Amino acid sequence: AQSVTQLDSHVSVSEGTPVLLRCNYSSSYSPSLFWYVQHPNKGLQLLLKYTSAATLVKGINGFEAEFKKSETSFHLTKPSAHMSDAAEYFCVVRIKAAGNKLTFGGGTRVLVKP
Amino acid sequence: NAGVTQTPKFQVLKTGQSMTLQCAQDMNHEYMSWYRQDPGMGLRLIHYSVGAGITDQGEVPNGYNVSRSTTEDFPLRLLSAAPSQTSVYFCATRIGMDYGYTFGSGTRLTVV
Repeated sequence: AQSVTQLDSHVSVSEGTPVLLRCNYSSSYSPSLFWYVQHPNKGLQLLLKYTSAATLVKGINGFEAEFKKSETSFHLTKPSAHMSDAAEYFCVVRIKAAGNKLTFGGGTRVLVKP
Repeated sequence: NAGVTQTPKFQVLKTGQSMTLQCAQDMNHEYMSWYRQDPGMGLRLIHYSVGAGITDQGEVPNGYNVSRSTTEDFPLRLLSAAPSQTSVYFCATRIGMDYGYTFGSGTRLTVV
């Protein structure tokens, strides 16, 4: 069975500084990986996805993530945080061989300080 | 194009009451699903459907029923609500295997 671990439940950054959200996964098969963002009292919005093409994936709002198979990681980064980036972020894995079931990490809540 | 519409946005139920959470989409997506979100646990799949007339269980199906009579609608029924079902419920749809999911804005349910 696949699993997803987001290594930090909370991350605090200052506006204008880099953001790093860490995600490790475990799977016996080649995964598709996603990052979603959830702003307060809103639904989830897709930031970016990896589906076995380029390992460096660029998403919306300046975010990007790199798939590293050897490290089973899919960390999310942004060079310069903005106040609007304050939200909860979810790393998600999907395995075709497992019926395309989505498995969510526990989430990382990002606080951006002015 | 409204995307995925969930109603109601908020609901309080008494233990033992029944209710239906509605999910409607206008994108002609074949795949629809229900998740519940609990603090620190991410989202967990309750039920899903790959097309009209076809439903299947996810990882936490107990206490919930679904049906899919049309492509557009995928209601989630709680037959006898329990406090353990207090959660935020999300409906999510998908157009194809290599695409991301589109989520509704959620229904916040409290069972007292």
